[in-house]
Amino acid sequence: GEDVEQSLFLSVREGDSSVINCTYTDSSSTYLYWYKQEPGAGLQLLTYIFSNMDMKQDQRLTVLLNKKDKHLSLRIADTQTGDSAIYFCAESPGYSTLTFGKGTMLLVSP
Amino acid sequence: NAGVTQTPKFQVLKTGQSMTLQCAQDMNHEYMSWYRQDPGMGLRLIHYSVGAGITDQGEVPNGYNVSRSTTEDFPLRLLSAAPSQTSVYFCASSYQANLANYGYTFGSGTRLTVV
Repeated sequence: GEDVEQSLFLSVREGDSSVINCTYTDSSSTYLYWYKQEPGAGLQLLTYIFSNMDMKQDQRLTVLLNKKDKHLSLRIADTQTGDSAIYFCAESPGYSTLTFGKGTMLLVSP
Repeated sequence: NAGVTQTPKFQVLKTGQSMTLQCAQDMNHEYMSWYRQDPGMGLRLIHYSVGAGITDQGEVPNGYNVSRSTTEDFPLRLLSAAPSQTSVYFCASSYQANLANYGYTFGSGTRLTVV
């Protein structure tokens, strides 16, 4: 079965906030990650959160973690057209391995 | 630093042919891995290595071989290409100890088509 689940598509207008949600299954994951993939490129690490944290803020990015519900979200404030990409949630069920979700395609329209 | 370099960027193979996808990193990372990315499937781990001389299988290893004779290189071999192996392949590396801080560094991918 799938370990990490995400909605597949999100469309927002420029300037709005975007919220991408993710659920994971492995409660032993120490870190949870958000990666961004632009067209034709590899993945790049956006941010991560340690499992004993509820929230992490990094400029326009806010990560919320509900460990009880195994729910992770990524909020992008003041979304720009350059934020259009695929966003992957990932958990670390084992040392040095990551399990990725299927990715959420974010489309930002002007 | 070049980071993670994958070659070739594009490849077309005929069914039954073999080939090697190259991956090299110049960051002295201990950990290296291969993923394949398919539409609607996300990234799936094929093989990984925690250091030179050590490799292990991931989620979808069948039809692929790897070896890790040096820290820098982690080639992926397709033994007998099949259309089901049409995909985009990504190599990734990291410091084992600093996985959280730096995550993985990904290559730019190899787009493989098997006809």
